[in-house]
Formats: sequence, structure tokens, C-alpha cells
Amino acid sequence: GEEVAQTPKHLVRGEGQKAKLYCAPIKGHSYVFWYQQVLKNEFKFLISFQNENVFDETGMPKERFSAKCLPNSPCSLEIQATKLEDSAVYFCASSQSEGGQGAYEQYFGPGTRLTVT
Amino acid sequence: QKEVEQNSGPLSVPEGAIASLNCTYSDRGSQSFFWYRQYSGKSPELIMSIYSNGDKEDGRFTAQLNKASQYVSLLIRDSQPSDSATYLCAVRVGGYQKVTFGTGTKLQVIP
Repeated sequence: GEEVAQTPKHLVRGEGQKAKLYCAPIKGHSYVFWYQQVLKNEFKFLISFQNENVFDETGMPKERFSAKCLPNSPCSLEIQATKLEDSAVYFCASSQSEGGQGAYEQYFGPGTRLTVT
Repeated sequence: QKEVEQNSGPLSVPEGAIASLNCTYSDRGSQSFFWYRQYSGKSPELIMSIYSNGDKEDGRFTAQLNKASQYVSLLIRDSQPSDSATYLCAVRVGGYQKVTFGTGTKLQVIP
């Protein structure tokens, strides 16, 4: 599609439950990024993919967070055993393949608001 | 020192004035610079990208880059109330796909 799609819009989970978020990048974009935005607009980079391969996972809290981008499926971000501090808006963004300056422009989806109670 | 720094604001300007938003970055290897606009409760929207020193104009927006001073700015001419939003500066270091965001400047345009 022409826009990054994210589902669901809102997700409420009790502490300790699992949460799974989905992202479909713009058609033709090879890179997918996940960010977590908490208070004061602070964006935390979580992980990026180049097609189905993990490209950079330096921001991922690996003990509870995992992510996948499989062929012909939306990308997913899964949080096992959610904690109160995981409450945030999770944004997915995509960008084109490398090559040319515009390749690095990231386009964001509408986000998924996760509330852990 | 944060990698990308912005004044959180709010920056208040009267309608019709020029709004000037500033951003500094720490990594001299930075090569790509972006400005995003984020309305409350919405996702960031890319409004400008700049890659070389100097000015880049797009409609009412002008991005200015000074790599020697590690400084990038966004000017909004003829500010409108609809420009009221948080403006995020984002920087990409050369050789990497990852972009680092500042915490944003909140702009309020007063009618």
C-alpha cells in the first residue's frame, strides 16, 4: 500500500500478559523500523529489518521483546509478560532500499497505543 | 550530551510570523537530516529532509544546515494556527540506516 499500516490502534493488557503488534510497510520499501514513544515525545529505537532479516536490534530489550518480518506477512512486534513500563505508543516506519538520498526517509504508521494495567 | 538536542519549548509565535526551530547534533559523521511534524495523538509526518550545507526551501518551510556548527534549523514562514504541533529533528549518521530523534519542540501559533 501507499501508507504504513499498523494494527491494532489500541491494545490493553494486564501486567504479565502477552502483546502482539503488527505493521505492514509501504509497498516496495525494504526497511522496517520499530520505535517506542513514551512521555515527552522521547522516541526509542527498538529494532530494524532489511526485508526479513534483522538489520539492527541494538534497542531491543531482548528478554521480553521479539520481532519478525516474514515474507508475505505483516511484520510483528511481540512483548511477552508485559510490564507497566511498556505502556507507550509503538510506531512502525518504513524506508526504501539504499541508493539515493531519499532512501533514508522514514515514513511512519499511525501507531499502536499499548496500555498495560 | 544527547545525540540530537532540541529546545522543548513551547515556542509561541503570532499568526503570520516566522517560526524558527533549532536542532544541534553531536556526531560529525551525520549525513542526513530530517524534520518531522507530530500533532498531538498522531504519528510523525516527514516535512523536510536536507543533506548538504545551506538552505532548502519547500513552500513555507525552509531547512538550514550548517555541518561545521553541527546545527540544523527549520523556518516556517507565515505561521498558521494549523502549524501548532511538535517538530522533531532526526539525524542519520553516514553508513547507517538508523535515525536518531530529538525530543521535539512544541510550537504554538497564536491567532
